[in-house]
Amino acid sequence: QKEVEQNSGPLSVPEGAIASLNCTYSDRGSQSFFWYRQYSGKSPELIMSIYSNGDKEDGRFTAQLNKASQYVSLLIRDSQPSDSATYLCAARGGKSGAGSYQLTFGKGTKLSVIP
Amino acid sequence: EAGVTQFPSHSVIEKGQTVTLRCDPISGHDNLYWYRRVMGKEIKFLLHFVKESKQDESGMPNNRFLAERTGGTYSTLKVQPAELEDSGVYFCASSRERNTEAFFGQGTRLTVV
Repeated sequence: QKEVEQNSGPLSVPEGAIASLNCTYSDRGSQSFFWYRQYSGKSPELIMSIYSNGDKEDGRFTAQLNKASQYVSLLIRDSQPSDSATYLCAARGGKSGAGSYQLTFGKGTKLSVIP
Repeated sequence: EAGVTQFPSHSVIEKGQTVTLRCDPISGHDNLYWYRRVMGKEIKFLLHFVKESKQDESGMPNNRFLAERTGGTYSTLKVQPAELEDSGVYFCASSRERNTEAFFGQGTRLTVV
């Protein structure tokens, strides 16, 4: 059973539109959630972290967390071609003891923003 | 401030050989993690150091993998002997505290032929 699931895409949106990326997780004890952006051949780059239910906004990015539904999302407003990348959802916590600090990743969603 | 750096960026070795990957974390980050992504799969956790101590090595696939972090600074991950299924991208990450954000290096792409 996959622990963090994402739609692999590709998700295509026109420039200027809102891109909506979704993620579900199976471990109800997970405490912290992260969105990383990865360009091809580059390192995963942290763009958002969220720890409590609700929305968290940072510039054009909004992360949403619903622990009851075990659902995390990332909205990108005014999408730009430079946003085209793979977006990785990661969860941390939920396992006892030392295992609580490792990140569990989804496979990632490939986003293409069409000019 | 320099980010997480990994060396080499690419390595191609024959089955049965030994390879050593190196990771230099962000200065001041006590927590260092190794992850691996094999083709078509998600990034998976290998192990976690706090300073020089192994905090969690539950993700290490077998005893052909040996990670060290002498002195609590840089870390090495040695694969000996390498097998074909070890091919993938090995990422290192670091964080200041255990429950803070982790920052990743660019990865080492390992190909075993």
